[in-house]
Amino acid sequence: ETGVTQSPTHLIKTRGQQVTLRCSSQSGHNTVSWYQQALGQGPQFIFQYYREEENGRGNFPPRFSGLQFPNYSSELNVNALELDDSALYLCASSLWTDFDRYTFGSGTRLTVV
Amino acid sequence: KNEVEQSPQNLTAQEGEFITINCSYSVGISALHWLQQHPGGGIVSLFMLSSGKKKHGRLIATINIQEKHSSLHITASHPRDSAVYICAVRSGGSARQLTFGSGTQLTVLP
Repeated sequence: ETGVTQSPTHLIKTRGQQVTLRCSSQSGHNTVSWYQQALGQGPQFIFQYYREEENGRGNFPPRFSGLQFPNYSSELNVNALELDDSALYLCASSLWTDFDRYTFGSGTRLTVV
Repeated sequence: KNEVEQSPQNLTAQEGEFITINCSYSVGISALHWLQQHPGGGIVSLFMLSSGKKKHGRLIATINIQEKHSSLHITASHPRDSAVYICAVRSGGSARQLTFGSGTQLTVLP
């Protein structure tokens, strides 16, 4: 049983650029949730994908968008990067019918300069 | 006021000490989770509680639904317990997202 894989592990981007982060869900899981974790803070919910559609969104602007693919993997896209977007981005996969059994990836550390 | 509050923010203990981390929440919940995060960033689920108490090895988690409060205890602490411990809640109903506290940085000294 494979865990959740996120890529890349680290990324440096310039303000105004666009970035795509990737998440491969754990085998058998069909739901992917994305979280942003600023330094010294707990993760904050960005959005969740199930059946290739967004199901629930936190307090993040539209420049944060995502996709889910038929194999349940997912992408997080951020346009017009701002300095405050610098954070650890975590994804977690689960079953839609058993959300409380989730697996987190190790995250992507994004630095915006 | 945050929906999930943890205390203390930082905790330093000597090896062998009994440790308690507290979590209070202000919303109705379906479940409360305790998680552990190591410096690399990966997060591991320790417990999921909807009532009562759970124990796993040296870790004990309790929840009081009426008081909207949970505690994580570590008995006979060890330096390898050093990590950030995070409390998270899943709201009631069909919500399938977690709301996290800001975490407690635990350092256990040898």
